Amino acid sequence: KQEVTQIPAALSVPEGENLVLNCSFTDSAIYNLQWFRQDPGKGLTSLLLIQSSQREQTSGRLNASLDKSSGRSTLYIAASQPGDSATYLCAVSSSYGKLTFGQGTILTVHP
Amino acid sequence: GAGVSQSPSNKVTEKGKDVELRCDPISGHTALYWYRQRLGQGLEFLIYFQGNSAPDKSGLPSDRFSAERTGGSVSTLTIQRTQQEDSAVYLCAFGGGGDYNEQFFGPGTRLTVL
Repeated sequence: KQEVTQIPAALSVPEGENLVLNCSFTDSAIYNLQWFRQDPGKGLTSLLLIQSSQREQTSGRLNASLDKSSGRSTLYIAASQPGDSATYLCAVSSSYGKLTFGQGTILTVHP
Repeated sequence: GAGVSQSPSNKVTEKGKDVELRCDPISGHTALYWYRQRLGQGLEFLIYFQGNSAPDKSGLPSDRFSAERTGGSVSTLTIQRTQQEDSAVYLCAFGGGGDYNEQFFGPGTRLTVL
């Protein structure tokens, strides 16, 4: 059974700092990995999708890497802003696109 | 989410009552997924619909849970004889249905069973 773990569970940083969120998964037989952002009372917003054949994806200040063989992914956020405060979720896709989620990292960026 | 809507946004019900949660799709996506997120826990897969194929119900926690998708569009998740442990945020998502496709989530329905 696939298990996804995210570290740290919570992170508080001052504005402007670069930071890294970690995700690990136990079964490397995945099709893709997605990073999501969840704001309180709202649904999930897809940030980045990395296919299993890819090593990284970039969008603006976000960069996600994938090491499928070791079962690890990182989300790098550059020059963090208070608006980045949210819960960040990592999810891996198995057959039919079913996602298995980690517990999330709660990020707080203070001015 | 990318145009996915869910209703109601919040639902409070008494233990033992039945509830229906609705998910309205965005066009062009054939696959629909239901997940739930209980307090302090990660999202759990519930059920998957793809076109006219038989749904994958492997994530439904009990036979009190059922879902249908009419005409390949709107989906309804029904929970019969609700229990307090059913309290959660229920999220639906749409995707292209293939193994490699991205999923887009609705805002969710927060269900509270008293």
